[in-house]
Amino acid sequence: KQEVTQIPAALSVPEGENLVLNCSFTDSAIYNLQWFRQDPGKGLTSLLLIQSSQREQTSGRLNASLDKSSGRSTLYIAASQPGDSATYLCAVMGQEEAGANNLFFGTGTRLTVIP
Amino acid sequence: DGGITQSPKYLFRKEGQNVTLSCEQNLNHDAMYWYRQDPGQGLRLIYYSQIVNDFQKGDIAEGYSVSREKKESFPLTVTSAQKNPTAFYLCASSISLNTEAFFGQGTRLTVV
Repeated sequence: KQEVTQIPAALSVPEGENLVLNCSFTDSAIYNLQWFRQDPGKGLTSLLLIQSSQREQTSGRLNASLDKSSGRSTLYIAASQPGDSATYLCAVMGQEEAGANNLFFGTGTRLTVIP
Repeated sequence: DGGITQSPKYLFRKEGQNVTLSCEQNLNHDAMYWYRQDPGQGLRLIYYSQIVNDFQKGDIAEGYSVSREKKESFPLTVTSAQKNPTAFYLCASSISLNTEAFFGQGTRLTVV
């Protein structure tokens, strides 16, 4: 079964810094990988989705990369702002049998951007 | 606005009672999901549905039940058989199984 790991569990950075969040997965046979943001007590907001055939996706100050062979993805946040403070979750869609749900989540990295 | 609506936002239940959490979507998605989130753990799948009148157990279905009588609705019942129901519950939907998922704002259930 696919296992998704996010390290570190928590990260604090001063405002304005560029930062990288990490996601690793054990089975490289994936359909796609999705990054989410979760604010305290709220649902998940989709940030970026990378298909297995892609190497990276960009949205504004966010850039997500995917290296299937090494089982890794990174989420790069440029010029961090206090409003970026949230928990960031990585989810991997595996290639398994049809009819089964194949979405596996990491436990997230809690980011705090200090003004 | 298109989206997924979960209600209520907060729910309190006495031990031994069944409660039903609502999830409605107007995205015309075929697939819908229920997840449970506990501190320090990743999201765990309770039930999912590929299409109307069909649903499948996820990893932690014991003590829960669902129905999918309408495309837009996927209610979750937490029964008295669920031993530790206090958690944050998230509903999601996608165009079809294993495509990009969109989430509701969650329901926090507390057993008192």
